Amino acid sequence: DAGVTQSPTHLIKTRGQQVTLRCSPISGHKSVSWYQQVLGQGPQFIFQYYEKEERGRGNFPDRFSARQFPNYSSELNVNALLLGDSALYLCASMGTGGDLNTEAFFGQGTRLTVV
Amino acid sequence: KNEVEQSPQNLTAQEGEFITINCSYSVGISALHWLQQHPGGGIVSLFMLSSGKKKHGRLIATINIQEKHSSLHITASHPRDSAVYICAVRSHGAGNMLTFGGGTRLMVKP
Repeated sequence: DAGVTQSPTHLIKTRGQQVTLRCSPISGHKSVSWYQQVLGQGPQFIFQYYEKEERGRGNFPDRFSARQFPNYSSELNVNALLLGDSALYLCASMGTGGDLNTEAFFGQGTRLTVV
Repeated sequence: KNEVEQSPQNLTAQEGEFITINCSYSVGISALHWLQQHPGGGIVSLFMLSSGKKKHGRLIATINIQEKHSSLHITASHPRDSAVYICAVRSHGAGNMLTFGGGTRLMVKP
């Protein structure tokens, strides 16, 4: 079985451009969360989606948006890129979306560099 | 003050040493995760705890809910254990959102 897959693995963009990152969760998992990890720091929560609905949003500007598709894959979009958006973007897949404790499975991440 | 604090930030050990990494948190939680991150970025889940103690191979994780504290222990450390170890908590009512500590960078020397 495939784990959590993210694409692309690496990306270089110019300031002001837009980027779309993709995540496919583990088969059967309906919850996808996105995190931003700046070099040397722990990941920061951006969004959580469950059953195609947004269930949580972190403290990120409106330039960040996401959606979840009927097959539970997800896209993270970032508009008007800034140098400070350079980071590793991680996707986490979980089996449930409610308050049940469940393991988190992470993708390899997309390393975004903004120049 | 961050909701999740880890110590130490950096740790260097000799092969074979017993290692302890600590995590303290300030919010009510439903679960705590210990994660391992290797260079290149991929994160692997080691443990999910809501009480007591769990063991997997040379790794042991404990949690004290009353004291809001967890520890990750590595017995008979090996150079392949070198990685960043991250503690993350799931707060009550926060759904699947995880709040992460800053990580502990471990280097085990042969």
